[in-house]
Amino acid sequence: GAGVSQSPRYKVAKRGQDVALRCDPISGHVSLFWYQQALGQGPEFLTYFQNEAQLDKSGLPSDRFFAERPEGSVSTLKIQRTQQEDSAVYLCASSSSGQPQHFGDGTRLSIL
Amino acid sequence: AQSVTQPDIHITVSEGASLELRCNYSYGATPYLFWYVQSPGQGLQLLLKYFSGDTLVQGIKGFEAEFKRSQSSFNLRKPSVHWSDAAEYFCAVTNTGGFKTIFGAGTRLFVKA
Repeated sequence: GAGVSQSPRYKVAKRGQDVALRCDPISGHVSLFWYQQALGQGPEFLTYFQNEAQLDKSGLPSDRFFAERPEGSVSTLKIQRTQQEDSAVYLCASSSSGQPQHFGDGTRLSIL
Repeated sequence: AQSVTQPDIHITVSEGASLELRCNYSYGATPYLFWYVQSPGQGLQLLLKYFSGDTLVQGIKGFEAEFKRSQSSFNLRKPSVHWSDAAEYFCAVTNTGGFKTIFGAGTRLFVKA
């Protein structure tokens, strides 16, 4: 597609469940980013991939968060044993080298 | 550490009036600076960017921003606001490696008729 695609758009899970969020970047974009956006806040950096290599994961809040991009295109953000504080919008962005990031519409995650 | 401050949580302007949204950043070197706009339920759309060169940059939808190194500011302006400009605006700074982006908390713009 023409833009960054994220699925699902909305996800409701019970506390303690595992969730997986998917990101399809713009074709050919080498760089891929995940952000967490809490209600009323700006996005906060989680992790960054260049092709399949995860070059920075310093923003992941705990070891319950895991991201992968095995073939250098589609990426999955997985959250294990979800907690209420994980409720947020998760944004994915992609870019080609040296260019600004293009954002998807996000996945709104609600943990009950 | 890098940081971005947007002092105004929300601003209300009349349609047709001018607009200025403030942004101050903290960064050790010359940063890459951005303004994004976000409508409810949507992702972020890039309005404009500053990498180097002319400190007054033009963006989409009639927006412009001026980089002032001495004030560590990158304020967003528009001479005449339209009702469709009502949204959340985010200022952001990226390190010169070009990947770790820090966003401000955002300014919500309300436009009254």
